[in-house]
Amino acid sequence: EAGVTQFPSHSVIEKGQTVTLRCDPISGHDNLYWYRRVMGKEIKFLLHFVKESKQDESGMPNNRFLAERTGGTYSTLKVQPAELEDSGVYFCASSQGHLYQETQYFGPGTRLLVL
Amino acid sequence: EDQVTQSPEALRLQEGESSSLNCSYTVSGLRGLFWYRQDPGKGPEFLFTLYSAGEEKEKERLKATLTKKESFLHITAPKPEDSATYLCAVQAPRSGGSNYKLTFGKGTLLTVNP
Repeated sequence: EAGVTQFPSHSVIEKGQTVTLRCDPISGHDNLYWYRRVMGKEIKFLLHFVKESKQDESGMPNNRFLAERTGGTYSTLKVQPAELEDSGVYFCASSQGHLYQETQYFGPGTRLLVL
Repeated sequence: EDQVTQSPEALRLQEGESSSLNCSYTVSGLRGLFWYRQDPGKGPEFLFTLYSAGEEKEKERLKATLTKKESFLHITAPKPEDSATYLCAVQAPRSGGSNYKLTFGKGTLLTVNP
């Protein structure tokens, strides 16, 4: 069974540009999450989808970040315009069903550097 | 607000030298405590979930335990391949938001020398 995949693995952009990160969850997983780790800090929650609906977006830093999940399958996270403080590793995770204690399986992350 | 503190930040062991990592947490009503392992350049890899005080789980050389205030990850006779960052995360009910959110600690970087 394929795990959570993320694309691209690395992205280097200039301040003010736009970047779109993609996440493909494990097949059949209804729940999809985005997390971020900024250098020197802990991994922090950004948002949670149940199928195509946003369940919780309390961790989104500001309105420069837009997450979508088309048809309840893959998800994209767009940062527009990017700022220096957006640099970090963006992780996507997925879990199967409706029990919140279920394991969240993480992807390898996208390393974003904003210059 | 949920808080997770892991100690030590870094730990260096000789192969075969057993030790423990600590995860202290402050939450209102713990739903689950999760341990993950993370290798450089990779995403967190699930190890264990603990749900209630007194619970223990084992996997190879790793054993996780849970009390009402902290969790320990015991590593028995570690090998160089156990070198990684070990992350602890908690899940707790939240009013007005998702109960699924994980709150992570900063992790413990474990290095096992041959």
